[in-house]
Amino acid sequence: AQTVTQSQPEMSVQEAETVTLSCTYDTSESDYYLFWYKQPPSRQMILVIRQEAYKQQNATENRFSVNFQKAAKSFSLKISDSQLGDAAMYFCAYRAPRGDDKIIFGKGTRLHILP
Amino acid sequence: DTGVSQNPRHKITKRGQNVTFRCDPISEHNRLYWYRQTLGQGPEFLTYFQNEAQLEKSRLLSDRFSAERPKGSFSTLEIQRTEQGDSAMYLCASSLQGPGGAFFGQGTRLTVV
Repeated sequence: AQTVTQSQPEMSVQEAETVTLSCTYDTSESDYYLFWYKQPPSRQMILVIRQEAYKQQNATENRFSVNFQKAAKSFSLKISDSQLGDAAMYFCAYRAPRGDDKIIFGKGTRLHILP
Repeated sequence: DTGVSQNPRHKITKRGQNVTFRCDPISEHNRLYWYRQTLGQGPEFLTYFQNEAQLEKSRLLSDRFSAERPKGSFSTLEIQRTEQGDSAMYLCASSLQGPGGAFFGQGTRLTVV
């Protein structure tokens, strides 16, 4: 069964600095999709960035980028120029491309932004 | 279309009562998911649908939980004989099949007293 592991329950970063959140996953599939979701306090979960496993190029969305290491089954999220609005729970998620393609989430990392 | 809508936003019920939640997905999305989330934890998969067909139900889910998506549009999640351990946020999400991620509703917070 696929699993997603986030080993950092909490992290803090100074405003305007860069922070990296870690995620590892386990799968026997060669093709799949990976996601990072953001959940601000008492607010809706939103999709931040996604990566397709067959693409070697790391995805980037404005200040958010990923470091996808397929052989190591690692998928980290880098947030550059951290802003107070980035404070949230961040969840890493996995989805197979077909068949059993439910989305599986990690336990999350709570990110604090220090002014 | 304004996104995934869930109702009610909050529900307080007495132990032993039945509750039903509704989810209206993004209209063109054929996949619909239900998750449960407790404080400080990640979303725990409950069940999901492809149109009106229920594809999988979590083995962690007791028989007190049932979900339907009768016409492949909105979905309902019913919990019978609620227990205090059912208190949680219930999240609904929808997506297209394929590489895109799912879009979440704001959730229904259930409190069983």
